[in-house]
Amino acid sequence: QLQLQESGPGLVKASETLSLSCAVSGDSITSTSYHWGWIRQPPGKGLEWIGSIYYTGSNYYNPSLKSRVTIFEDASKNQFSLKLISVTAADTAVYHCGRLPVRYTGTYHPGYFDSWGQGTLVKVSS
Amino acid sequence: QSVLTQPPSVSAAPGQKVAISCSGSSSNIGNNYVSWYQQLPGTAPKLLIYDNIKRPSGIPDRFSASKSGTSATLAISGLQTGDEADYYCGAWDTSLSAYVFGSGAKVTVL
Repeated sequence: QLQLQESGPGLVKASETLSLSCAVSGDSITSTSYHWGWIRQPPGKGLEWIGSIYYTGSNYYNPSLKSRVTIFEDASKNQFSLKLISVTAADTAVYHCGRLPVRYTGTYHPGYFDSWGQGTLVKVSS
Repeated sequence: QSVLTQPPSVSAAPGQKVAISCSGSSSNIGNNYVSWYQQLPGTAPKLLIYDNIKRPSGIPDRFSASKSGTSATLAISGLQTGDEADYYCGAWDTSLSAYVFGSGAKVTVL
């Protein structure tokens, strides 16, 4: 059974870097069938897609976050990670990692989230 | 501001049916698959519908979906108190090369 578990600091100072990891069990992040990605949800607000990574190392990122985000993988640990630089209070949110089956509509791309981690709250302090 | 537009809230009595709309454009809903998610209070989202109309195993057939042009609709029939949640649509956006979510719709059972 697939399980995803986020880990990382729950408190980050403004202007510093937010770093989270997602440990995957029950599947391999080198599978050709899936992307692996991150979303976030600020308190009381909706879902925001952050980005994803494919086993080849190729990424897709939310254009509004692209200049500050990096998603990378560690196949030896079967985990992938998120790095968000220069954080502000607006980055305070619950961060979830998830698995996205690949879909083809002219190009191959992430199709949807079929599984999620429970999420971890990250607060940015001033 | 979300790329996909949903009504903020919908409501109906137990046993009734509700429909949640999701409006987009040719770069997302019009030419890509739509998915729907349910988020109960304090929990992670849960996949309800994928590839426009398909239900994952374990999702009851009270949940159904359709797509026409650049819009999609999630219908919940036989509404139950346990269906009170936020519902989000999502789709790949070819122009943005990004996955986009709707603004979310809160379902209230009267």
